[in-house]
Amino acid sequence: DTAVSQTPKYLVTQMGNDKSIKCEQNLGHDTMYWYKQDSKKFLKIMFSYNNKELIINETVPNRFSPKSPDKAHLNLHINSLELGDSAVYFCASSQGHFFLSSYNSPLHFGNGTRLTVT
Amino acid sequence: AQKVTQAQTEISVVEKEDVTLDCVYETRDTTYYLFWYKQPPSGELVFLIRRNSFDEQNEISGRYSWNFQKSTSSFNFTITASQVVDSAVYFCALSELQTNAGKSTFGDGTTLTVKP
Repeated sequence: DTAVSQTPKYLVTQMGNDKSIKCEQNLGHDTMYWYKQDSKKFLKIMFSYNNKELIINETVPNRFSPKSPDKAHLNLHINSLELGDSAVYFCASSQGHFFLSSYNSPLHFGNGTRLTVT
Repeated sequence: AQKVTQAQTEISVVEKEDVTLDCVYETRDTTYYLFWYKQPPSGELVFLIRRNSFDEQNEISGRYSWNFQKSTSSFNFTITASQVVDSAVYFCALSELQTNAGKSTFGDGTTLTVKP
């Protein structure tokens, strides 16, 4: 069973469109994240949720809106896509309540979604 | 200043050579965690090791070993007798509780190419 799964794996779309990426984890973790990896492989955190509550919003444009219906799911919706949004987006999860213990827990990553905006 | 510095952008070695990937971090926290992750060409990110700030014991796992030195704020990763399958991008990451609310800050990664 895949621990952290995200769909779709590839997403090709045109500028101005709205798209969503879904993420689910079956590890029972309390904290979930979205990371963006650009073409130079730099990894930057975008959002973090703990038990459906937003913890970190890392100065991401408000065209990006995460939604966590329950602690096992963290979806990412992107409005009005721009060329600069092209990247690989990784979902991740970690164990424990965020401020108490998840900082010391390794991240379990999904396989990434390669978003290409044309 | 960058919190996690991986000064080596790319390293290329021949199979069976030993290689060390450097990681230097910066923090004012007394309690923090350091991690290494591997990203092979297939693209997934895989956790390799975690070390907390109070545990400076070096760790060995097969051909992999890690050297944590608080005095130099370094957490270096050595691969002994490298193999082609070790070719990947390796990321060092720092997680601070007080300063950074527990989120992991990643270095820019070191791309390791092991040639046959």
